[in-house]
Amino acid sequence: GAVVSQHPSRVICKSGTSVKIECRSLDFQATTMFWYRQFPKKSLMLMATSNEGSKATYEQGVEKDKFLINHASLTLSTLTVTSAHPEDSSFYICSARGPGTANYGYTFGSGTRLTVV
Amino acid sequence: GQQLNQSPQSMFIQEGEDVSMNCTSSSIFNTWLWYKQDPGEGPVLLIALYKAGELTSNGRLTAQFGITRKDSFLNISASIPSDVGIYFCAGETDSWGKFQFGAGTQVVVTP
Repeated sequence: GAVVSQHPSRVICKSGTSVKIECRSLDFQATTMFWYRQFPKKSLMLMATSNEGSKATYEQGVEKDKFLINHASLTLSTLTVTSAHPEDSSFYICSARGPGTANYGYTFGSGTRLTVV
Repeated sequence: GQQLNQSPQSMFIQEGEDVSMNCTSSSIFNTWLWYKQDPGEGPVLLIALYKAGELTSNGRLTAQFGITRKDSFLNISASIPSDVGIYFCAGETDSWGKFQFGAGTQVVVTP
């Protein structure tokens, strides 16, 4: 079945630095990927839609200059949290969708726990 | 925007009991999904529903896509300890795989 690999699983960084999170589709090509954020004991909130070869579409209230998304190939999307601050600490999860096949649309990565100190 | 309400927020049940949770929306969805999330992990898809009225099973799990396309339920029969976790419903808000998630139902199973 469709597998999405997310890396790293955990990262601790200093305030002011940038962190890159990778999301890879391992056995299918993902034309669209989604980035979610989850606070403790809360639901997943969509941050942005990443489309291969074009600019990401951000949800209302999400700063595009703070959360840089790059989807340069059909198997890789990256989320870079720039100038991270403690309030950016959260669980970030990606999801990948393949072209046309319904089941491929719904696979999530295992998530990245970001802690900014 | 669309409001998606999931209930109950939490359930404490004994092993062997059945579990039922549901999601309702003020608007229609194209697809309903049910996920389970373990602590520190990403959500894992349990059941996907594509048509209004569809009833689908996956082992001890059964889910239905409401006929009005505004609701869905998930049942777990004969619960076991490994059913512990948070269950999320998700409704597809457009045709590109963008989903809105419910707040989650935390299930605790006691022996």
